Amino acid sequence: EMVMTQSPATLSVSPGEGATLSCRASQSVSSNLAWYQQKPGQAPRLLIYGASTRATGIPARFSGSGSGTEFTLTISSLQSEDFAVYYCHQYNDWPPVYTFGQGTKLEIK
Amino acid sequence: EVQLVESGGGLVQPGGSLRLSCAASGFTFSSYEINWVRQAPGKGLEWISYISSGGLTMFYADSVKGRFTISRVNAKKSVYLQMNSLRGEDTALYYCARAIVGTQGAFDIWGQGTMVTVSS
Repeated sequence: EMVMTQSPATLSVSPGEGATLSCRASQSVSSNLAWYQQKPGQAPRLLIYGASTRATGIPARFSGSGSGTEFTLTISSLQSEDFAVYYCHQYNDWPPVYTFGQGTKLEIK
Repeated sequence: EVQLVESGGGLVQPGGSLRLSCAASGFTFSSYEINWVRQAPGKGLEWISYISSGGLTMFYADSVKGRFTISRVNAKKSVYLQMNSLRGEDTALYYCARAIVGTQGAFDIWGQGTMVTVSS
């Protein structure tokens, strides 16, 4: 069973600073990895897919990297609207048994 | 506007059934795979079901296999999730989500969710 592990669970950062979120897969998912942002009371929003491709309308301060089992979401110069929970999601398995990480809460320091 | 709108949630007793609907608008629905993802209160995201664009291929998470059935009617631009033998652990906000064509599993459009509460 594929397990996605995100770290840290909570990250406290000041506005204007950068943030680096990590996601590790228990086995290789190639580049079939997405990142989502979720704010309270809202549905998740796709930020990154294919490990490094920004989704439509996503600001350039969001970037993704990695392949295989280690992935990173980097947010440069945090804006107030960026404080939220972030999930990684592997969609490599076929038949699909898609799995999400447990989330990283990005909070204002 | 491209959107998905879920409906059909509610309060149901353990062992009961519910049918969720997901209505699409603003895009060529028949070209897209659709998934259901749920989120228990205060918890993370759990993928539960997939249906191909033509409706001929379906998959389920082990947690719902044999109890839930996904289907779609492209002429109505809708996907359905029939949920039987509901348990307390099925209590969650249920989202339908569109997969980007060619990716299979990157979900670019999500509905607002419909809440299912299983309780006596």
